[in-house]
Amino acid sequence: AQKITQTQPGMFVQEKEAVTLDCTYDTSDPSYGLFWYKQPSSGEMIFLIYQGSYDQQNATEGRYSLNFQKARKSANLVISASQLGDSAMYFCAMSPYTDKLIFGTGTRLQVFP
Amino acid sequence: DAGVIQSPRHEVTEMGQEVTLRCKPISGHDYLFWYRQTMMRGLELLIYFNNNVPIDDSGMPEDRFSAKMPNASFSTLKIQPSEPRDSAVYFCASGPNTGSGNTIYFGEGSWLTVV
Repeated sequence: AQKITQTQPGMFVQEKEAVTLDCTYDTSDPSYGLFWYKQPSSGEMIFLIYQGSYDQQNATEGRYSLNFQKARKSANLVISASQLGDSAMYFCAMSPYTDKLIFGTGTRLQVFP
Repeated sequence: DAGVIQSPRHEVTEMGQEVTLRCKPISGHDYLFWYRQTMMRGLELLIYFNNNVPIDDSGMPEDRFSAKMPNASFSTLKIQPSEPRDSAVYFCASGPNTGSGNTIYFGEGSWLTVV
């Protein structure tokens, strides 16, 4: 069965510091996609970054990078130079062969000055 | 470009009433998903469509829930009769062909309160 695990219910980081949000997954499908979404307090789900299972390089999007370790089945999100506006819930998700997106339970990130 | 459009944004209804949530996916997207988000259960996939055809409805909680996609630009999620435990945020999302490897984009959600 496919599963996404986010073990950090909450994280704190000081402004301008980097932070890593953990995500592990489990699937037997050889082809899958890994995603991170941000949900601010306003409630919308914002796509941040995507990594394909066959991609050789780690994905990057501005201050976001995905640390993909396929053998360990981990897809951690790294946010560099944190900003106050980064305070939000962050969800890791996986799309296996069946195409549906499965979400983890989320990590609440608080950025303080 | 217009994103996924959901309506209503907020709805408060009495137990037993019928609720209809609506979604307009991004033009050209072949996949449409309905998710429900609650504090207790997180984000749950209820049902998804490919080219207007329901592919997997195993997440639909019970017969009170039904979803349709009569054409490529419109979908509904209906709850009849509604119950207080249905109170949640319901998200519609759409994505291009082949889900694994393609991003899905969410609407702003429909916040449902059943009293």
